[in-house]
Amino acid sequence: AQSVTQLDSQVPVFEEAPVELRCNYSSSVSVYLFWYVQYPNQGLQLLLKYLSGSTLVESINGFEAEFNKSQTSFHLRKPSVHISDTAEYFCAVENNAGNMLTFGGGTRLMVKP
Amino acid sequence: ETGVTQSPTHLIKTRGQQVTLRCSSQSGHNTVSWYQQALGQGPQFIFQYYREEENGRGNFPPRFSGLQFPNYSSELNVNALELDDSALYLCASSLGKHTGELFFGEGSRLTVL
Repeated sequence: AQSVTQLDSQVPVFEEAPVELRCNYSSSVSVYLFWYVQYPNQGLQLLLKYLSGSTLVESINGFEAEFNKSQTSFHLRKPSVHISDTAEYFCAVENNAGNMLTFGGGTRLMVKP
Repeated sequence: ETGVTQSPTHLIKTRGQQVTLRCSSQSGHNTVSWYQQALGQGPQFIFQYYREEENGRGNFPPRFSGLQFPNYSSELNVNALELDDSALYLCASSLGKHTGELFFGEGSRLTVL
């Protein structure tokens, strides 16, 4: 069975500072990994995904995540955050049947001016 | 293109009652998944429907049941409500049954008193 651990429940950071949100997973066979973002009072939105190929994946708004098989990690990074990045971020892994995502507990990113 | 819509957005029930939540999938999507998100936690998979058939179920009791209609909209029914059923219920649609790229609605917040 898959599991996802997000090591930090809250990450406070000042605007324009870099940030890393940590995610570790366990999975038996193939690994498809995702980061979703949930802005206040909204549903989840896909931020980026790793299916295969390059281990570094990027989103359109400056986030990137690196798949590290040896460390079973998929940490999310951004070199310079904005106030608008304040949200809850969820890491997820897809099961082998491809019909279910297992989510971590989430990390609340709080960007301060 | 119409996104995923859910109704009602908020509702309050008492223990032992039954509830039906509804979801309209994004245009062109034939798969609907339901997730339960308790306060301060990540979403947990309830079940998935693909072309009107259940295609996977998470660790939820049989009093959680669902339907998918020919237009791919879906219902989640919960019988004999318990206090722990209080949560945000998220519906997500996708194209095909093997994908982690889900498009979520904003959810139905259920409070059980």
